[in-house]
Amino acid sequence: EADIYQTPRYLVIGTGKKITLECSQTMGHDKMYWYQQDPGMELHLIHYSYGVNSTEKGDLSSESTVSRIRTEHFPLTLESARPSHTSQYLCASSYAGSDTQYFGPGTRLTVL
Amino acid sequence: AQSVTQPDIHITVSEGASLELRCNYSYGATPYLFWYVQSPGQGLQLLLKYFSGDTLVQGIKGFEAEFKRSQSSFNLRKPSVHWSDAAEYFCAVGARNNDMRFGAGTRLTVKP
Repeated sequence: EADIYQTPRYLVIGTGKKITLECSQTMGHDKMYWYQQDPGMELHLIHYSYGVNSTEKGDLSSESTVSRIRTEHFPLTLESARPSHTSQYLCASSYAGSDTQYFGPGTRLTVL
Repeated sequence: AQSVTQPDIHITVSEGASLELRCNYSYGATPYLFWYVQSPGQGLQLLLKYFSGDTLVQGIKGFEAEFKRSQSSFNLRKPSVHWSDAAEYFCAVGARNNDMRFGAGTRLTVKP
């Protein structure tokens, strides 16, 4: 099973601040994903990456950006946080050619 | 594009009783199907998956699921529920090398 880490686990921040949510995995997975999860709603894919220097937007429009400079690291950045960004953000990873995704514990973000 | 419906938002069962969580999917080809479980404050953990072959799939923690193509369903079952099974359960559908779509989840409460 993959080891995938997210920090911080919880974040409360004021409107207009720049934030970066960290995601790292130690299994050498090629593909990585960011999902947004709201209570009672399905998970929405907001970004994904097939490998280093690859980033793609998901189905749900998001004002966040991502980067993939190293295989194991896939940070998500919000340049200017707003209350509408309040949500849980889940990071996942998988091997290329595998459809099984392994999830991190999530970051619960609250923007005041 | 694929989609998933979990008709039950919340289910309550007594400890020791049997459990069935419903999942219906929509996809034009043979789907890859997954069940994940999420405990409070945690990420998603894979319970089981179906890619091909035997339509009855065994997973971890005593769970099983049955793929029924004629009904476009992939219901999750457990013969005897334990208090520790209380969590949110997500069904997901994917296709090879494509992104997954998640249902909105079913929250399971276990009564003593």
